[in-house]
Amino acid sequence: SAVISQKPSRDICQRGTSLTIQCQVDSQVTMMFWYRQQPGQSLTLIATANQGSEATYESGFVIDKFPISRPNLTFSTLTVSNMSPEDSSIYLCSAATSGGTGDTQYFGPGTRLTVL
Amino acid sequence: AQTVTQSQPEMSVQEAETVTLSCTYDTSESDYYLFWYKQPPSRQMILVIRQEAYKQQNATENRFSVNFQKAAKSFSLKISDSQLGDAAMYFCAYFLEGTYKYIFGTGTRLKVLA
Repeated sequence: SAVISQKPSRDICQRGTSLTIQCQVDSQVTMMFWYRQQPGQSLTLIATANQGSEATYESGFVIDKFPISRPNLTFSTLTVSNMSPEDSSIYLCSAATSGGTGDTQYFGPGTRLTVL
Repeated sequence: AQTVTQSQPEMSVQEAETVTLSCTYDTSESDYYLFWYKQPPSRQMILVIRQEAYKQQNATENRFSVNFQKAAKSFSLKISDSQLGDAAMYFCAYFLEGTYKYIFGTGTRLKVLA
């Protein structure tokens, strides 16, 4: 298993600013993922982050709005750029120990973002 | 495209009783994995149970067990001897080998009544 931490746990931001969310895993993982979740709703995958390559974004999400870094096998960041109130959500980081083999994803505690 | 359906937005169970949460999925693939995750109010998603589609035997983890019906594409979660700490949102998820993506259902909110 993997233990995942996220920083910050919550933030309140002004429209037009950017926020970078950090995700730290206690062991080396192959795949890291970023999700968005509206309170009480399901998870929507934003992108998959592989170490040493560019992130793969899902339909409706673009790199200019949600740039992602993956500098090593234990760390990733997601930036929410030029924020608007519609970006208010919970952002979850997850990690899998290997890709494409059905390995379990482990999740961080999430970051609750409120944009005013 | 694969889809996951949880038809029960909310369920209630008395403490110490048994409850079953439903999940159906649609896929034309044969090798995949199914998961149940629990998300309490603290937001931390916790793995409850995992099932490989190639295994006929239903997975069990202590008080949690699944009824996996591959032909019917059904994957229900049974919680026995329900405890107050079981109260949470439960998400069913499908994973197709090689895709690196989970597909989540819409969730079922479980309330446990004392």
